[in-house]
Amino acid sequence: GEDVEQSLFLSVREGDSSVINCTYTDSSSTYLYWYKQEPGAGLQLLTYIFSNMDMKQDQRLTVLLNKKDKHLSLRIADTQTGDSAIYFCAESKRNTGNQFYFGTGTSLTVIP
Amino acid sequence: ETGVTQTPRHLVMGMTNKKSLKCEQHLGHNAMYWYKQSAKKPLELMFVYNFKEQTENNSVPSRFSPECPNSSHLFLHLHTLQPEDSALYLCASSRTGQQFFGPGTRLTVL
Repeated sequence: GEDVEQSLFLSVREGDSSVINCTYTDSSSTYLYWYKQEPGAGLQLLTYIFSNMDMKQDQRLTVLLNKKDKHLSLRIADTQTGDSAIYFCAESKRNTGNQFYFGTGTSLTVIP
Repeated sequence: ETGVTQTPRHLVMGMTNKKSLKCEQHLGHNAMYWYKQSAKKPLELMFVYNFKEQTENNSVPSRFSPECPNSSHLFLHLHTLQPEDSALYLCASSRTGQQFFGPGTRLTVL
């Protein structure tokens, strides 16, 4: 089955860059996603990348995909206290009846 | 605001109660999902509906009963729950390639 793994915790200082990492096992993934969850809220889709791309940049967010190593990362530039949240990596495949597979989430703490 | 709404946002119920959670989306999505999120556990997929047909039931106990009357609405009927069922229940909907979540219902079972 599909397995998506993330480290559980990350702490950074305000203004620094954060890098959240994710590994997955299924090389046939079509889309890979990053979601953000703030306390008491649902998951908010931050960005996603097609599996035929290596990189996607959206303002302070940069997603890097290494398909050979099945490694996905999310870099947040100039991290702010409002970025403190849990970040989930997820993957899906076009032909699996709309199934999405989530990692365990990385809790990012931004220290002022 | 993702366009997926859930009611109620908070629910406290006893083990003998019957209650229902509601999810609604008017995004034109064809798939809808129920997830359970417990503290310190991965997100658990419970049910998936595609075009109103249930396509996934991940060994969920029968005290949870989903209903999808149309492609915009999804319910989760609850009866005789246990305290360990206390969690955040998240609804999501998707079209190919993107999944959007509601804010969740925080359920506490006493």
